[in-house]
Amino acid sequence: EVQLVESGGGLVQPGGSLRLSCVASGLDFGREYMSWVRQAPGKGLEWVAKIVPDGSEKYYVDSVEGRFAVSRDNAQNSLSLQMNSLRGDDAAVYYCARETFWRFDWWGQGALVTVSS
Amino acid sequence: QSPLIQPRSVSGSPGQSVTISCTGTSTDVGTYTYVSWYQQFPGKVPKVIIYDVTKRPSGVPDRFSGSKSGNTASLTISGLHLEDEADYYCCSRTGNYATFGGGTKLTVL
Repeated sequence: EVQLVESGGGLVQPGGSLRLSCVASGLDFGREYMSWVRQAPGKGLEWVAKIVPDGSEKYYVDSVEGRFAVSRDNAQNSLSLQMNSLRGDDAAVYYCARETFWRFDWWGQGALVTVSS
Repeated sequence: QSPLIQPRSVSGSPGQSVTISCTGTSTDVGTYTYVSWYQQFPGKVPKVIIYDVTKRPSGVPDRFSGSKSGNTASLTISGLHLEDEADYYCCSRTGNYATFGGGTKLTVL
């Protein structure tokens, strides 16, 4: 069974940085497209970033472009999201998800990011 | 990268049918067959219930069906059950990105 386990969430001050990680099991990670999707408290889902299987291409929603960086280590079956210059509207539960032809068919349990002074 | 437009809420009685619309543009829903729908219960992880506009993953009841016409995709739930009460989100390919709808809260009265 596929498992995606996020870690690294927490409380950070505005302008600060945080790095989320997601460890995958039960899938051929090095062949998978992976994405981060977030959900602000009481709000809807928002796709954040995507990385292709070999890590050569990365895509971001406009609001995080230049501040967030997605990366992966296929040898460790891990996905990361480095978040810099965090703002209040970045506060959310961040899910890592496997993406198969633009459908998100496996999700982690989520990592809560709180941005507050 | 504007969200797809969904009604904020819909409601129905057990046994009835409801349809949730998802309106995009010619750059997303209107162009691609990569439209998916997600069901999310409070405090839980989203679950895909429809993908590629009309396909259902294994285990999803056939009461759930999807369709698309022009720039609008739709999710229809036939024969509503009380346990269908949840939030529903559409999602479409938008070039190299994915765009979600704002979500629809389904209340089963």
